[in-house]
Amino acid sequence: SAVISQKPSRDICQRGTSLTIQCQVDSQVTMMFWYRQQPGQSLTLIATANQGSEATYESGFVIDKFPISRPNLTFSTLTVSNMSPEDSSIYLCSVVARTGVTNTEAFFGQGTRLTVV
Amino acid sequence: GENVEQHPSTLSVQEGDSAVIKCTYSDSASNYFPWYKQELGKGPQLIIDIRSNVGEKKDQRIAVTLNKTAKHFSLHITETQPEDSAVYFCAASKNPGYSTLTFGKGTMLLVSP
Repeated sequence: SAVISQKPSRDICQRGTSLTIQCQVDSQVTMMFWYRQQPGQSLTLIATANQGSEATYESGFVIDKFPISRPNLTFSTLTVSNMSPEDSSIYLCSVVARTGVTNTEAFFGQGTRLTVV
Repeated sequence: GENVEQHPSTLSVQEGDSAVIKCTYSDSASNYFPWYKQELGKGPQLIIDIRSNVGEKKDQRIAVTLNKTAKHFSLHITETQPEDSAVYFCAASKNPGYSTLTFGKGTMLLVSP
């Protein structure tokens, strides 16, 4: 299993500024992801955070807006840049970890609730 | 890419009743179907999952069924309790270890005492 610590849990930011969200996992994991959950909506994958190389972004998300770092197998950051009110969402870190000999499971952090004013 | 549809968007039941949430998926290559429960202010938590080599899986009051031919899977909660109230998400994936999850839009379940 995996325990994820995500910081901050919430923040209120001024438009035009940037916020960096941290994700720390208690074990080494290969796969780490960042999701966005807009109010009352489902989870949308932003990108896969790759250790030692550039993140892989999904359609509609770009590196300039959402730069991601993954310096090692237990830590990643997501930055929301030049924020606007439309960026107000919950941002979630997720990892895939083994739960048995052959099974894997996706675990999620508690999320960062971002409000842009 | 994969598309997951989930119904209903909201579901209200009385305590003790059963609740059923249904999902359909589009990609026949998907073979892993987890269900997540998300309580207010928390991240999603896996409650049960099913892989394409089985048709049904049960864990106490929760069960999931899968029909690969029709490409749909369902979550069944029996003897509902107020603490079951939350948003439930279904998801689909081709390989849970190495590929990403596509989520349904979620179902808000409200269990009234």
